Amino acid sequence: SQTIHQWPATLVQPVGSPLSLECTVEGTSNPNLYWYRQAAGRGLQLLFYSVGIGQISSEVPQNLSASRPQDRQFILSSKKLLLSDSGFYLCAWSVQGGYGYTFGSGTRLTVV
Amino acid sequence: GENVEQHPSTLSVQEGDSAVIKCTYSDSASNYFPWYKQELGKRPQLIIDIRSNVGEKKDQRIAVTLNKTAKHFSLHITETQPEDSAVYFCAASRGNFNKFYFGSGTKLNVKP
Repeated sequence: SQTIHQWPATLVQPVGSPLSLECTVEGTSNPNLYWYRQAAGRGLQLLFYSVGIGQISSEVPQNLSASRPQDRQFILSSKKLLLSDSGFYLCAWSVQGGYGYTFGSGTRLTVV
Repeated sequence: GENVEQHPSTLSVQEGDSAVIKCTYSDSASNYFPWYKQELGKRPQLIIDIRSNVGEKKDQRIAVTLNKTAKHFSLHITETQPEDSAVYFCAASRGNFNKFYFGSGTKLNVKP
């Protein structure tokens, strides 16, 4: 069966520090991968999606970047965090051409 | 891009009553509408979905209706129970790379 792993679960980082969040999927090949951010008390905002290795599309301009170095690995990064980057970050995957997401367990990022 | 609006933002009902959450979308090409339930601090979980070729779908106490002409869809929960308390998100997708656009969420509180 397919599983999605996301880490770390929580992270407290100072303003200006770098960020790297990792997401991996097991049990499937060539998934669509997504990064979402959920600000406190808000909805889920699509940040990036990827349909294949090295293929990244950004939905909104921001202080973040994403990479997909391997088929089932998706990384969210920042060179210098801002206070506004705080939030709950969720990775998700779906079957190519299919419907429905499975979300990872999320990373709660607090920038101080 | 797609714009999904969700109402109400909070909903409080007595156990056993029904709850209705409504969403509207802007992109007439959207053809898939999932609903997710998110408990505090956890990942969103898919509870029901509907595609644009049907007007209603039911799964036990949960039902979703879709009005393509008016571009709105609704979640109906009957005989609510305290464990239904959570934040519910609607989403819309037009199928291109399966990108979901989420509503802002409804916090449902079921009072025993």
